[in-house]
Amino acid sequence: EAQVTQNPRYLITVTGKKLTVTCSQNMNHEYMSWYRQDPGLGLRQIYYSMNVEVTDKGDVPEGYKVSRKEKRNFPLILESPSPNQTSLYFCASSHYRGRSNQPQHFGDGTRLSIL
Amino acid sequence: GENVGLHLPTLSVQEGDNSIINCAYSNSASDYFIWYKQESGKGPQFIIDIRSNMDKRQGQRVTVLLNKTVKHLSLQIAATQPGDSAVYFCAENIRGSGGGADGLTFGKGTHLIIQP
Repeated sequence: EAQVTQNPRYLITVTGKKLTVTCSQNMNHEYMSWYRQDPGLGLRQIYYSMNVEVTDKGDVPEGYKVSRKEKRNFPLILESPSPNQTSLYFCASSHYRGRSNQPQHFGDGTRLSIL
Repeated sequence: GENVGLHLPTLSVQEGDNSIINCAYSNSASDYFIWYKQESGKGPQFIIDIRSNMDKRQGQRVTVLLNKTVKHLSLQIAATQPGDSAVYFCAENIRGSGGGADGLTFGKGTHLIIQP
């Protein structure tokens, strides 16, 4: 089954304790992206990657890091989490065919609570 | 900056009726639009997309209409069913723009409620 898998689905942690949210897709997609979803603000892009070893900032990258060492994986790293990073996070992927847009497939989300 | 927005935060319709969810966008450079459905506890699910060289596209029970003159997008759902209850987002993208705009800009969402 084609899917985007995020882990963990839920996490409660404390300020300053490094954490990583993993994302894996099995569709051989070139493009992967992380979003956060907050009430009243909708979905906002954090980082994206157009292919292996190619990453770039989205609209709200502060406090986050990503890496793309393999095509299928795109982990989101919070080196020193703070309470304002409490949110619902989504990973998404799609084919990237040059200048042609393709719809993104989303994971089921990771709910992070930073105390 | 220019954002995608939605006219109504909540829409309540009777089961079996048709639903119309509206979306206004303000970025005239946007040329690709998507509608997503998000059920509680799940990620956004692709419904239908449309490119700016079209003004209408139909799927199974859904139709997307694009009016570039007034920068308006709508999603029509025919014969709504209880399973259609969800939050619906429109999203826009600017083709090949790079520099962070390869992602989607989402509207805030409309909560569709199906009354029995």
